[in-house]
Amino acid sequence: DTEVTQTPKHLVMGMTNKKSLKCEQHMGHRAMYWYKQKAKKPPELMFVYSYEKLSINESVPSRFSPECPNSSLLNLHLHALQPEDSALYLCASSPYKGETRTDTQYFGPGTRLTVL
Amino acid sequence: GESVGLHLPTLSVQEGDNSIINCAYSNSASDYFIWYKQESGKGPQFIIDIRSNMDKRQGQRVTVLLNKTVKHLSLQIAATQPGDSAVYFCAETVMDSSYKLIFGSGTRLLVRP
Repeated sequence: DTEVTQTPKHLVMGMTNKKSLKCEQHMGHRAMYWYKQKAKKPPELMFVYSYEKLSINESVPSRFSPECPNSSLLNLHLHALQPEDSALYLCASSPYKGETRTDTQYFGPGTRLTVL
Repeated sequence: GESVGLHLPTLSVQEGDNSIINCAYSNSASDYFIWYKQESGKGPQFIIDIRSNMDKRQGQRVTVLLNKTVKHLSLQIAATQPGDSAVYFCAETVMDSSYKLIFGSGTRLLVRP
């Protein structure tokens, strides 16, 4: 089973709200990712966690705060977002095979975020 | 700089015909390539992958071809079906210590009944 789940499916929030996106996988994958995808564009990498440690932050504004409580869970905490942050937020996971470099990423269905 | 791009933004094919979606990449150090299918309102779905030590790989109704000489990747779908209608992204991994996946700009495949 190559399933990554994300909740909620849809989220509408105001610019002063605090909300969180959640991602879960039970495939034993040790790398997890957050991507942002705008309409008709490819996904853009935001963060990478490997072995529950943040390994990549693609210069994402601090209003996005990732958290990896354990190897199966990944959260994205949102605070003081802007309307231009409205997008599909995708979570992915991969086995993280170290040196083999053939690390397939499997994506969740995404959370459609609208910032008013 | 590094980039993965597609030649055709939209491809329209007749149901039952074969489809070919092309992708160009610029980083000769990339060693792993993936094709994803993304249907409307869904996340990207893994279709098929290929390592740089191969030039062809086949799956169920899909074939990926890799030409490292010209840095070209293609996805062939046999007997295209209405359910194949989606946006297709090629992606490459960059040969460094990170696990970045560089996506192409995507091709929309429309299957005419």
